[in-house]
Amino acid sequence: DIQMTQSPSSLSASVGDSVTITCRSSQTIGKYLNWYQQIPGKAPKLLIFAASNLQSGVPSRFSGSGSGTEFTLIINSLQPDDFATYYCHQTSSSPYTFGQGTKLEIK
Amino acid sequence: QEQLVQSGAELKRPGASVKVSCKASGYIFINYDINWVRQAPGHGLEWMGWMNPKSGNVGFPPTLHGRVTMTNNPSMATAYMELTSLTADDTAGYFCARRVRYDSGRFDAFDSWGQGTMVTVSA
Repeated sequence: DIQMTQSPSSLSASVGDSVTITCRSSQTIGKYLNWYQQIPGKAPKLLIFAASNLQSGVPSRFSGSGSGTEFTLIINSLQPDDFATYYCHQTSSSPYTFGQGTKLEIK
Repeated sequence: QEQLVQSGAELKRPGASVKVSCKASGYIFINYDINWVRQAPGHGLEWMGWMNPKSGNVGFPPTLHGRVTMTNNPSMATAYMELTSLTADDTAGYFCARRVRYDSGRFDAFDSWGQGTMVTVSA
């Protein structure tokens, strides 16, 4: 199975800040990498697909990049609704696997 | 607007089975795979498998082989996930999700999710 490792596991930031979350895969996965946002008690929400493509309706302050084994999610100008947990997700090979999550908290 | 609505919370005894439903609306049900993902309390996301509503083809991770069954009723636009031989480790929120394909099917992601069904396994 492909292991997905996110860093950091948690971080604190203020409204208006920019943050970067990293996701590394144990094997090369090309651009088969998605990012989701999850608010407690809710279902995950797709933000980015195929490493760098913004899902329809997602604000442009979210961006993704990377390929191979290293990927980043950048959130610019943090808004109150952005404080949530973020997961990366590989669809390169079965079984699909997720990162352990990065919890973004308000400082 | 596509929507997935799941069945309600369940409390099960160890060794029992649970069947969760996922009713789709707002799109052509048989045109998209349904995937299932679970999340133990305070933990991350675990993929449980996929089902193609048109063909009935399914795929599961080895860790769940033999315990999970995925079916569907196209006339009701509803997918089902049944998990047998439950243990406390199966206590989790269970989500169905629609898989959408991009770039002529080259890439895929889960673009629409059910609200989740909490399954608690306890004696």
